[in-house]
Amino acid sequence: QKEVEQNSGPLSVPEGAIASLNCTYSDRVSQSFFWYRQYSGKSPELIMSIYSNGDKEDGRFTAQLNKASQYVSLLIRDSQPSDSATYLCAVNGRKSSNTGKLIFGQGTTLQVKP
Amino acid sequence: KAGVTQTPRYLIKTRGQQVTLSCSPISGHRSVSWYQQTPGQGLQFLFEYFSETQRNKGNFPGRFSGRQFSNSRSEMNVSTLELGDSALYLCASSLESSGDTEAFFGQGTRLTVV
Repeated sequence: QKEVEQNSGPLSVPEGAIASLNCTYSDRVSQSFFWYRQYSGKSPELIMSIYSNGDKEDGRFTAQLNKASQYVSLLIRDSQPSDSATYLCAVNGRKSSNTGKLIFGQGTTLQVKP
Repeated sequence: KAGVTQTPRYLIKTRGQQVTLSCSPISGHRSVSWYQQTPGQGLQFLFEYFSETQRNKGNFPGRFSGRQFSNSRSEMNVSTLELGDSALYLCASSLESSGDTEAFFGQGTRLTVV
């Protein structure tokens, strides 16, 4: 079982729709969760962080965390073609061997069609 | 506020050579982590430095090494380059441990080994 799992996609949504990106993780003691956006040929850009169960909203983005289900998601409302990118879920590694590092999923490619 | 600066942006090296990559973190950030990104493996953790000490190391051979200076700038070195070392090398800067607080990536160094 991978430590952080994401559906690789591509996830295709029409412009203006809600895009829903999902991520599951295996380490029950993980405390910090991050979503990064990576455009082709560029480096990852942090778009959301979430540390507590529930929802966190920032503009068109909402991160949702459910630690009991070991599940974190990212919703993008009013999707725009400029949102087309790969979205990476990252989880902190709390086991002693994982201290100080982020564990990344393989990423979900989002395509927003005009 | 200046972001994370990585130099050089691009490198072409020959098998067997060695290479040194540099990372200047965001001012005030004490943690620097390095990641390797390849199409097949995704983002893989190399190591993390905090206050000039390596706190964790990923599953990479000893040819990969790094250090951090008193001003938090970090370098990573790869000796005896192999074709498989061709990748995007990313440096992430964070205030404290990159697993617990938000980490911001530099633009990366794209290394090609021929």
